[in-house]
Order: sequence, then C-alpha cells, then structure tokens
Amino acid sequence: GAVVSQHPSRVICKSGTSVKIECRSLDFQATTMFWYRQFPKQSLMLMATSNEGSKATYEQGVEKDKFLINHASLTLSTLTVTSAHPEDSSFYICSARDRTGVYFGPGTRLTVT
Amino acid sequence: AQSVSQHNHHVILSEAASLELGCNYSYGGTVNLFWYVQYPGQHLQLLLKYFSGDPLVKGIKGFEAEFIKSKFSFNLRKPSVQWSDTAEYFCAVRGVNQGGKLIFGQGTELSVKP
Repeated sequence: GAVVSQHPSRVICKSGTSVKIECRSLDFQATTMFWYRQFPKQSLMLMATSNEGSKATYEQGVEKDKFLINHASLTLSTLTVTSAHPEDSSFYICSARDRTGVYFGPGTRLTVT
Repeated sequence: AQSVSQHNHHVILSEAASLELGCNYSYGGTVNLFWYVQYPGQHLQLLLKYFSGDPLVKGIKGFEAEFIKSKFSFNLRKPSVQWSDTAEYFCAVRGVNQGGKLIFGQGTELSVKP
C-alpha cells in the first residue's frame, strides 16, 4: 500500500526558533497533501491543504506566516513552524492523496521549550 | 460548514463484548465517510470507508459501519472486541467536491479489558 513518511518523528526546539517538518509520499505521487495538528486527547484539526506548485490553502484561524507550507514536488511537502512558541507544541500529521485514496504519515511530535 | 460529532469520548469494554461507536455529521451535500483507527504510538490507519452503494460496509479486523442517510450517521460496530482493539477511533467526513479534505470527529478512546 501507499506509504507516507514524516521527518523528523520527534523534535525539541527552543522558543523563537524555526522548525521544518518534511512529508514524503514514498511510492506514489501525491496530487494533494494535507497538514493536520492533533492536541493530546483531541481530534485532528486540518491546518492547510497544499497542491504541488501552488500556494497552500489555509483553514480559518491558521496563521499562514507562522506555518509556512511548501509543496515543491509531487512527493514532498514541508511545514515550517516559524518563531515557535510553547503553545505550538503539538503532534503534526500530514496526509497525501492520490487517485486511490488518502494516506497518513506517522506524525511529528514537536515540543517547544 | 462541515462538522463531525462522536458521541463517546471513552469507552471501556471487556473482551468479547459488542461495540458500537456513534458518529454523526453535518454537511449539506454528498459525502464520503471514513473510520480510522490509531493504535498507541502508531499512525492513523483506515478501517473502512463508504462512498456509495450498500450502506453497510465491512472493513478490516471484523469492523463494519452503517450509513443511515436520514440520520446523518455512520456508526462503527464490531460484534466481539479483542484486547488488541484498544485504540483511538476517528470518524471522518469528506464532501465529494472538497478535494480530499477530511474533517475528523473528536475521537473515541476504546479500552478493552482482557
């Protein structure tokens, strides 16, 4: 089946720094990638939708200048959390879509100290 | 706006008990419906999905779900749970013309006692 990877799986950074998270579709080309955020014991909240070669579409309430998304190719999307603060600590999950379905990555645990 | 509601936050069952997890959605058009499972420390996995046709869909690991359009519901069922079913279960909805964007319910934590 289709596999989506995320790197890193865990990251700890200091407040004020930026962190980049990669999402790759390993054996398929993803027409669209999605970024979600999951707080402990809560559901996944869609942050943004990204299509290769175009600007990401952000959900209401998500700061596009803080959460920079780049979808450079059909197999790679990156989420950069800029000037991270402790309240940005969360579990970030990407998913990738092709004609057969939507597949999720394993997630990245971000802790901002 | 689309929304998904899961009625139970935490369900505790003994092995061999029957399971039903509720899911209701709100959306003004045609939808695709999904149930995902997240085992501890693992990523989301698709249990089953409904696109069209028979409203009773069967998924992996003995799970099934029934789409009742009049009730905007898509409840998940399993006749006899196992300890290995302990996980978080998420119902999700996708509007047919929403480009693959999934809206998730709050999740239900299932704990199965051996």
